[in-house]
Amino acid sequence: GAVVSQHPSWVICKSGTSVKIECRSLDFQATTMFWYRQFPKQSLMLMATSNEGSKATYEQGVEKDKFLINHASLTLSTLTVTSAHPEDSSFYICSARGVSGRPGTGELFFGEGSRLTVL
Amino acid sequence: AQRVTQPEKLLSVFKGAPVELKCNYSYSGSPELFWYVQYSRQRLQLLLRHISRESIKGFTADLNKGETSFHLKKPFAQEEDSAMYYCALSGRAAGNKLTFGGGTRVLVKP
Repeated sequence: GAVVSQHPSWVICKSGTSVKIECRSLDFQATTMFWYRQFPKQSLMLMATSNEGSKATYEQGVEKDKFLINHASLTLSTLTVTSAHPEDSSFYICSARGVSGRPGTGELFFGEGSRLTVL
Repeated sequence: AQRVTQPEKLLSVFKGAPVELKCNYSYSGSPELFWYVQYSRQRLQLLLRHISRESIKGFTADLNKGETSFHLKKPFAQEEDSAMYYCALSGRAAGNKLTFGGGTRVLVKP
């Protein structure tokens, strides 16, 4: 089946630094990727929709300058948390949807998640 | 706005007993409903979707548009069913974005 890989799976950084998280679709091309944030014991909250070759669409309340998203190719999207602060500590999850006619069409496949801890 | 509600945060049942996870939704249009499952230390994965009308691992879910519900059921729970379950909704009116419910943790006791 289709596989989505995230890297790193966990990261600890100092307050004020920037952290980049990668999301890759390993065996299919993804025109659309989604970035979610999950707080402990809570559900996944959609942060933004990342479309290959165009600007990401952010959900209400999500700071686009804080969470930079780049979807440069059909297999890679990156989320950069800029000037991270302790309140940005969370579990970030990406998902990818395939292109029409190929494996993964319509169904979302999820990465394993990246846990960010900001000291 | 679309919304998914899972009223139960935790369901604890004994092995072999039936289990039903409730899911209600609000959406102005024709929704597509899903159930996702997350086993311990694993990533989120699709369990089933309403358009497939299939049974996966003994689980079934029927979309009831009148009651705006998509409850997940299994007649005989197994210990390996212990996991976190999320009901989710998608639809064209919302740009095909997936909205998740709060999740229900299922614990199947031996």
